[in-house]
Amino acid sequence: QSVLTQPPSVSEAPRQRVTISCSGSSSNIGNNGVTWYQQLPGKAPKVLIYYDDLLPSGVSDRFSGSKSGTSASLAISGLQSEDEADYYCAAWDDSLNGPVFGGGTKLTVL
Amino acid sequence: EVQLVESGGGLVKPGGSVRLSCAASGFTFSDFNMNWVRQAPGKGLEWVSSISTTSSHKYYAHSVKGRFTISRDNAKSSLYLQMNSLRADDTAVYYCARRRQHQLVRGVYWFDPWGQGTLVTVSS
Repeated sequence: QSVLTQPPSVSEAPRQRVTISCSGSSSNIGNNGVTWYQQLPGKAPKVLIYYDDLLPSGVSDRFSGSKSGTSASLAISGLQSEDEADYYCAAWDDSLNGPVFGGGTKLTVL
Repeated sequence: EVQLVESGGGLVKPGGSVRLSCAASGFTFSDFNMNWVRQAPGKGLEWVSSISTTSSHKYYAHSVKGRFTISRDNAKSSLYLQMNSLRADDTAVYYCARRRQHQLVRGVYWFDPWGQGTLVTVSS
């Protein structure tokens, strides 16, 4: 059972927009920055969004993040087949002194 | 190019031990907090342990505390994870990851980059 809650899967057609939610608590999302990772099949995770809504250089602006209270969301617009991956949210947890992760959301582009 | 390369995984018997290594290159290793994160087959990510730049602070997930030991050698730009008393549920790909942080805002951390991972299988 993951500390952060994400839907196990989402699906949407190409060129459409999809959002992935992530719910936590005051000891993690509510008090610290949220990071989103993309994990392509067979690969290591890669950071997509950090500090709630910031994009690292090289990440497409089709990806965007937001946070409100103890919840966060990742939005992907203009879906492409290469976006098919697992997406994980994460946040530092004050009680753990380490990060907690969501269970991951598998994105299928129909 | 910033790079992390793990090694040391393999098949281990329950109750056995293994030591993982992570070789860093392309950045000043001693400037960064380093971490281990694992992923059981078909499962999500689980943070395992972190170590501060001078090794003065080490933190562990509850599931590995007392069995795993994290360490680093800044002269060799290397990170280690000594894993003892291994159990079947320790079977996972183990990733090392560099921790980045916001310079002005507390509680803003992220892992970048990650290594390619090394698989540890605990089975008789």
